[in-house]
Amino acid sequence: GEDVEQSLFLSVREGDSSVINCTYTDSSSTYLYWYKQEPGAGLQLLTYIFSNMDMKQDQRLTVLLNKKDKHLSLRIADTQTGDSAIYFCAESSGGSYIPTFGRGTSLIVHP
Amino acid sequence: SQTIHQWPATLVQPVGSPLSLECTVEGTSNPNLYWYRQAAGRGLQLLFYSVGIGQISSEVPQNLSASRPQDRQFILSSKKLLLSDSGFYLCAWSKSPGVYEQYFGPGTRLTVT
Repeated sequence: GEDVEQSLFLSVREGDSSVINCTYTDSSSTYLYWYKQEPGAGLQLLTYIFSNMDMKQDQRLTVLLNKKDKHLSLRIADTQTGDSAIYFCAESSGGSYIPTFGRGTSLIVHP
Repeated sequence: SQTIHQWPATLVQPVGSPLSLECTVEGTSNPNLYWYRQAAGRGLQLLFYSVGIGQISSEVPQNLSASRPQDRQFILSSKKLLLSDSGFYLCAWSKSPGVYEQYFGPGTRLTVT
C-alpha cells in the first residue's frame, strides 16, 4: 500500500531555515499536503501542492516537489520559536479522497 | 467560513464504561467526515469516514463505532472502553468533491483508567 516517510525530529536555531523532508511511494499521488500540529491541538493545513507543480511559495514557506524521486520538502525561512510543532506530510491520489499521512516531524526551535 | 467543533475537549473514563464523542461542522454542506486517533507515537490512524448521512466506512476493526445522524454531525461511540482506547481523537472534514485537503477539529483527549 501507499507509504509516507518522514524523519521524526529536526532541531534548528532561531532565525535559521528549516527543511523538513518527506518521501512517498504512490506514483499516482495527485495532491501533497503539509500540516502543522501544535501541542494539544488539531492539525492545521499549511499548504498543498498539485503533482504537476514543482514549487509553491507562500510567505516564509516554500514547498518543493521532485515527482521523479517522490520527494517533498517544506522549507521554513527565518524559523521562529512559534514554528515549534509537529509537521505532517500527506498525499492523496485522484482515486481516493482519503490522504495518507506520515508520522510527523517534530521541529524544535532553540534560541 | 467553515468551522469544526469537537467535544468534550478532555475525558477521563474507567475501563468498561461507554463513550460518545461528538463532532459538528458549520458553514458547509455534504462534507466528507473522518475520525482519527493519534496515539503516543504521533501517527494518525484513520478509524472511520463518511461520505453522507448514514454512510460509514470502518478502517480498523475494534470496539468503536461511528454514526452520522445529520449531514454535519459525526459521532464516535463505544459500548465498553478498553485501556488501549486512550489517545487523542481528531475529527476532520473535507470538501466533496474537490481538492481533498482536510480541516481538523481541536481534538478530544481521552484517558481510560
